[in-house]
Amino acid sequence: SQQGEEDPQALSIQEGENATMNCSYKTSINNLQWYRQNSGRGLVHLILIRSNEREKHSGRLRVTLDTSKKSSSLLITASRAADTASYFCATVWNRDDKIIFGKGTRLHILP
Amino acid sequence: GAVVSQHPSRVICKSGTSVKIECRSLDFQATTMFWYRQFPKQSLMLMATSNEGSKATYEQGVEKDKFLINHASLTLSTLTVTSAHPEDSSFYICSASRRYRGEAFFGQGTRLTVV
Repeated sequence: SQQGEEDPQALSIQEGENATMNCSYKTSINNLQWYRQNSGRGLVHLILIRSNEREKHSGRLRVTLDTSKKSSSLLITASRAADTASYFCATVWNRDDKIIFGKGTRLHILP
Repeated sequence: GAVVSQHPSRVICKSGTSVKIECRSLDFQATTMFWYRQFPKQSLMLMATSNEGSKATYEQGVEKDKFLINHASLTLSTLTVTSAHPEDSSFYICSASRRYRGEAFFGQGTRLTVV
């Protein structure tokens, strides 16, 4: 079963703008990960944030984690056309290393 | 990161036949492998968890007799879709992890089309 919920489900922004996607989950986690998937393709791992971390950066990506609210956000700064894809948060539960995916956000960058 | 190879990347089969998908961890020993299914424009749904040398654990609603999983070694897990039907057409993705490391590595996925 899925435990992550992304918000919004779809997002269209102009190239150069920042894109923010949110994710909420239900249970205690070991870590939370964000993935990108281009249409019909495999997953690309973007970033992993552990439960004891609050913020993490990687290039144009910034991820925050609030374990008290069971939520995370992914910020993509200075968006590019190549960022057009679906983005999924995924949580890893402490006990069995299962990775459970949220429903995803479809991001479309307008030229 | 570690490399997980999934094969084949695409397969077309006739209704009623069986299809086997392989998932290999190339440069590490995977104590656990997971199999996911993804329908168009939807998220990845976990189907089952496969531990080396033991029976797979299936998620609720997944038919274990239809989706046979074998994890015979620390580097190979297979998913066999038996008596495939058109509704089994989907994108199947495997992932492999090392126990309690909290990180998994994904294969490239297999697009199955049943005609």
